[in-house]
Amino acid sequence: KNQVEQSPQSLIILEGKNCTLQCNYTVSPFSNLRWYKQDTGRGPVSLTIMTFSENTKSNGRYTATLDADTKQSSLHITASQLSDSASYICVVSAGDSSYKLIFGSGTRLLVRP
Amino acid sequence: NAGVTQTPKFRILKIGQSMTLQCAQDMNHNYMYWYRQDPGMGLKLIYYSVGAGITDKGEVPNGYNVSRSTTEDFPLRLELAAPSQTSVYFCASSYGSQKTYEQYFGPGTRLTVT
Repeated sequence: KNQVEQSPQSLIILEGKNCTLQCNYTVSPFSNLRWYKQDTGRGPVSLTIMTFSENTKSNGRYTATLDADTKQSSLHITASQLSDSASYICVVSAGDSSYKLIFGSGTRLLVRP
Repeated sequence: NAGVTQTPKFRILKIGQSMTLQCAQDMNHNYMYWYRQDPGMGLKLIYYSVGAGITDKGEVPNGYNVSRSTTEDFPLRLELAAPSQTSVYFCASSYGSQKTYEQYFGPGTRLTVT
């Protein structure tokens, strides 16, 4: 069964600190992996999309890594800001239907001043 | 561009009532999707459409219907609301189905069935 697991479920950090969110997946065949940011009461917004051949991708203070061998990904947030408080969702696309996405349940991040 | 818009933002239904959730996009995207997000769970695909006049079931289609008469609009119909349909509903669109095409999400509709 295709699954995407994220850890931790929730995380609290102080403003200015770094953090790393984890994603493990069992999706076959793999097509690509995406990280989304979802603010409370809003729809998800794409941060990065990585294909099989990419092992790191950055978007400002967000850096995603992908290890296709171990089926793991991480999202690293540098110098956190209060506006980073949100849920971060790992999403994997299966190769047979690239527009059908398998969503993780997300990591809820709270950045405190 | 307004992107993907959804109405209403909130709705409370009684069991057995019907309603239509509206979704529109102004990006000329061919693909449109409906998801539901339950607390603590990942988004689940309800229905999707690859173009006007073409729709197909996703992972959790029971209790819902869709239509796609235009490229811009993709309404979701609930015929006989049940408490299990209490959820947040998101509409999304993408240009195509290529591997790296982004899906753009609307702001969501929070539905409560009591």
